[in-house]
Amino acid sequence: QLHLQESGPGLVKPSETLSLTCTVSGGSFSSSDHYWAWIRQPPGKGLEWIGSIYYDGKTYYNPSLKSRVTVSVDTSKNQFSLRVTSVTAADTAVYYCSRRSHTSFPHWGQGTLVTVSS
Amino acid sequence: DIVMTQSPLSLSVTPGEPASISCRSSQSLLYSNGNNYLDWYLKKPGQSPQLLIYLGSSRASGVPDRISGSGSGTDFTLKISRVEAEDVGVYYCMQALQNPLTFGGGTKVEIK
Repeated sequence: QLHLQESGPGLVKPSETLSLTCTVSGGSFSSSDHYWAWIRQPPGKGLEWIGSIYYDGKTYYNPSLKSRVTVSVDTSKNQFSLRVTSVTAADTAVYYCSRRSHTSFPHWGQGTLVTVSS
Repeated sequence: DIVMTQSPLSLSVTPGEPASISCRSSQSLLYSNGNNYLDWYLKKPGQSPQLLIYLGSSRASGVPDRISGSGSGTDFTLKISRVEAEDVGVYYCMQALQNPLTFGGGTKVEIK
C-alpha cells in the first residue's frame, strides 16, 4: 500500500527558505502512470496547489508562487522535495504531498504544519 | 487560470436528509477524450483530504454509494442522498484539466 510522509522543519523564519521532503514507500516511484505534487492549506483557508513533478523531471508550478518554488525528485531515495524561498507569514500552512494518477489524487501524506515566524 | 466557484458556503443538514453542493468552473472541464477533469475531496479537521469523486462522476474506492457526482462542462454537483455524521467536513471541488490545478473555495457541511 502506498504511503507518503512529509518531513521538515515546523518553524521557519521570515525571508528564509522552507524545505520539505516527501518520502514514498510501498509503490512504484518512477512511472509515467502518475506524478507527484505539493498542496497546502493555510489556517482557516482552502486548498492550494503548489506544484507538480513528473517522472521525467518536468515541473509545473502555481504562477502565484512560481518565482519562489522548486520541486525536485530523488529517485534513488524515493523522495521528492519542495523549496519555497523568501517566505512570509502568508506561507504558514499545512503542507501535503500527494501522488496523482491520470485521473485523481487518491494518495496523500498526513500533512505537516509549517509556521513562518521569527 | 480556471476559477472554481462552489455554493453554498455552508450546509447544516439533518441526519438522513439529502445534501447537494454545486461547483462551477470558468471554463469547460470536458476534454476531447470525453472525460470531465473534475474531482471532489472531503477535508476533515486534522486529516488529509480524502478523494470522493473523480472524472466528475466516478466514485473512489471505499466511498459509499450514497455519495455521487454528476455534471459536465462547467456545472457539477456532489450529492449525498442521506447525510450521516461521518460526512461532516469541508468539501472541495478541483479541476485537473490544466495547470495550475485549482480548487473551489469549499463547502462546510455540518450536522443539525
